[in-house]
Amino acid sequence: GAGVSQSPSNKVTEKGKDVELRCDPISGHTALYWYRQRLGQGLEFLIYFQGNSAPDKSGLPSDRFSAERTGESVSTLTIQRTQQEDSAVYLCASSLALAGGQETQYFGPGTRLLVL
Amino acid sequence: GQQLNQSPQSMFIQEGEDVSMNCTSSSIFNTWLWYKQDPGEGPVLLIALYKAGELTSNGRLTAQFGITRKDSFLNISASIPSDVGIYFCAGQLARSQGNLIFGKGTKLSVKP
Repeated sequence: GAGVSQSPSNKVTEKGKDVELRCDPISGHTALYWYRQRLGQGLEFLIYFQGNSAPDKSGLPSDRFSAERTGESVSTLTIQRTQQEDSAVYLCASSLALAGGQETQYFGPGTRLLVL
Repeated sequence: GQQLNQSPQSMFIQEGEDVSMNCTSSSIFNTWLWYKQDPGEGPVLLIALYKAGELTSNGRLTAQFGITRKDSFLNISASIPSDVGIYFCAGQLARSQGNLIFGKGTKLSVKP
């Protein structure tokens, strides 16, 4: 497709279960980002992948959160032993990662996670 | 962590009025972006700014990259009902790896 896609669009889970969220970036975009958006809040950075470089995990809130990316394609964000505080919209974005750092991130529609 | 101060938090205006919102930071940014988010959707890019002092328009929208590189504003002229939504500013810190720092958003409501 032309844009960033994410699945599932909604996920309801029980506290303590693991969840896996998927992101398909725009074809050709080398950079991929995950953000979390709590209700009524702005976006919080979680993790950033750029090509074959080691990912920037500085935004991950705990070791229950992890993410992987296969080459320059699909990424999965995994949350283990989910807690109610993990309830949020998880947004993925991708960009071309142009030289000089001037780049524009394009967002997917997000996955709405509700932990009961 | 780094913060962007976005104001106002919400606005309720008459259709046809002009709107102005802004973001400020204590840090220097090399990119400023403005996004609009509709309910249940991801943010959609409105305007991207890459140079200090840059003034860019997109239809009824105009945004500027502050000369100090620590602020940006977004203006919407002649607002219409479909302008309703939440507007976010986002910045990329100078010499950073790429992740954006977001403001908390300005919720715009337009009365027909």
